[in-house]
Amino acid sequence: KAGVTQTPRYLIKTRGQQVTLSCSPISGHRSVSWYQQTPGQGLQFLFEYFSETQRNKGNFPGRFSGRQFSNSRSEMNVSTLELGDSALYLCASSRKTQVSSGSVAGANVLTFGAGSRLTVL
Amino acid sequence: AQSVSQHNHHVILSEAASLELGCNYSYGGTVNLFWYVQYPGQHLQLLLKYFSGDPLVKGIKGFEAEFIKSKFSFNLRKPSVQWSDTAEYFCAVNAGDSWGKLQFGAGTQVVVTP
Repeated sequence: KAGVTQTPRYLIKTRGQQVTLSCSPISGHRSVSWYQQTPGQGLQFLFEYFSETQRNKGNFPGRFSGRQFSNSRSEMNVSTLELGDSALYLCASSRKTQVSSGSVAGANVLTFGAGSRLTVL
Repeated sequence: AQSVSQHNHHVILSEAASLELGCNYSYGGTVNLFWYVQYPGQHLQLLLKYFSGDPLVKGIKGFEAEFIKSKFSFNLRKPSVQWSDTAEYFCAVNAGDSWGKLQFGAGTQVVVTP
């Protein structure tokens, strides 16, 4: 069973540019979440998508956006890049989104991808 | 504000020593609790989880954690560590209605020396 696939794995951009990162969830997983990991701030939640709809959003500026396609694949975009956007961007998928409808006994937990490491120069 | 605190940022210990990593959270309602591990050069992996029931949960690779509701804690333990346990460990809490949104602690870097 293939895991969560993120592309590209590494990329270098300059300030002011924009970047698009892609995430393919585990087959059958319909919820995709994005996280930013930096040495200073740790792991921070960006947003979550389910059925092509954004269900939750973290405390990030509007330069950070995302979307989900009908096949559950997701992309996130960062526009007008700043030096502080340098980070490892992690995507995670799970079968369901609503805890109330999830199977507590099941492994409806987040499975993470390897991440896309963005360096902004 | 809701938060997750991990007591130690760095832990260095020798092989065969016991490991305990502390985690406290500040959510008032029902929570789901997780420990994730990130080995050098690898992606985040789930070590164990607590949803309900027995507060002592067992995970992979000999790890276990105890949920103490009265102390808002979910401490991770391993009786005897190996060099291969060198990694960064993250406590995480899901306190909302969505599986996808986790609040992570700052992480604890564990180094096991041979």
